[in-house]
This record gives sequence, structure tokens and C-alpha cells, in this order.
Amino acid sequence: AQKVTQTQTSISVVEKTTVTMDCVYETRDSSYFLFWYKQTASGEIVFLIRQDSYKKENATVGHYSLNFQKPKSSIGLIITATQIEDSAVYFCAMRGNSNNRIFFGDGTQLVVKP
Amino acid sequence: EAAVTQSPRNKVTVTGGNVTLSCRQTNSHNYMYWYRQDTGHGLRLIHYSYGAGNLQIGDVPDGYKATRTTQEDFFLLLELASPSQTSLYFCASSDWGGSQNTLYFGAGTRLSVL
Repeated sequence: AQKVTQTQTSISVVEKTTVTMDCVYETRDSSYFLFWYKQTASGEIVFLIRQDSYKKENATVGHYSLNFQKPKSSIGLIITATQIEDSAVYFCAMRGNSNNRIFFGDGTQLVVKP
Repeated sequence: EAAVTQSPRNKVTVTGGNVTLSCRQTNSHNYMYWYRQDTGHGLRLIHYSYGAGNLQIGDVPDGYKATRTTQEDFFLLLELASPSQTSLYFCASSDWGGSQNTLYFGAGTRLSVL
């Protein structure tokens, strides 16, 4: 079975600080892809960053980075120097190499306060 | 940037009504998906397709039909709408294995079944 779990329902931080959002996954596939998406208040869902399971180096895009801990089946999203506009719902997702379905966690609401 | 267009953006119907949600992508992606989003459930897969004429069943298919008429167009049909189908619906597309290797989402359709 494939499953993605985000245990943090909501996080609140002060702007310009660093926040980490947790995500754990389950898969039997030997190769897989892990994603983070952001859903803004308008409802728009955008892709942020991806980690390929065979890569040891953590992915980084702008002020987003990942903490990939393969033995723990964990892929945390780190946002540094948070801004008010980072306030959104963040979804963790996974696609295994055995099919082309993508599984989503339930999301974490991030509130960035001045 | 991949373009996925959903229509209508908002729809209100009555119980037992017939509804068609439309999705068009203009990036020649092979895969297209329909998700529903409800509070507390994240994104749940209804149906997906890997090409014209193909249809795969997702995790919550009951009460929904789908049809992929062309590479670009994927439709979701609710033939006897029920209040439990009130939700926010997203279409997404991807060209897995290509350089982009992620999902691109439409803006969503908010459906209310009275």
C-alpha cells in the first residue's frame, strides 16, 4: 500500500523565521518521487519542489529545501526566511515507479505572522 | 509553464441533476487526473487517464464517470448528483518521465449540489 501522512494540521510562525513541515510516506516501490505543493488562499495549487528517491542530496529551490531521510521514510519541507505570502496549505505527495498515481497527504496549514 | 483549464469555475445543481466538468490541457501531457478536495481529506483521486480513450479508476470513483475524448480533453460526469458530491474539484496533468515530472493543476471547480 502507498500512503502519505502529514501529522501537523496547522503551524504558526513569525515572519523571517525558519519552519519545518513533516511528512512520512509508505511504499514498496524501489524507486519513487516525493513532492511538495502549495495551495494558496485563492485555491490555486502549485508545485514547489521534488526529491527523487535515488538522489542522496537534498533538493533545494529558492528558500525551499527538503530534509530527505530515506531510512525513516521521511521528507520534511524547510522554508527559510518565511514571508507573509508563504501563508498557505502545504501538501506532501508521492509517486512510486510502479504506477502513475500520485498520493497526497492531508496538508499542513502554515500561518506566517508579522 | 503547463496550462490546465477547468470549466465551469463554479456550478450549482440540484440533487439528481446532471453535471459535466471539463478540463483541457495544452501541453500534450499523457496523463490527466480528476481529484476532489474536502476539508479534512486532502486531495482524493476520482479517475485518471493516460491517453485518449483510456480510463483508470481512482480511490473514490462511486457516482462519477469520466471520459478522455482527446489528448487535451478530460471530462468528469455526475449523472445523478447528490449532496455528498458537493466539493472542490481539481483536474491535473503530467508527462511523467519528462523533464517536468510533476503534476500541473487547474484552478478548480467548486460544485454545490443542493
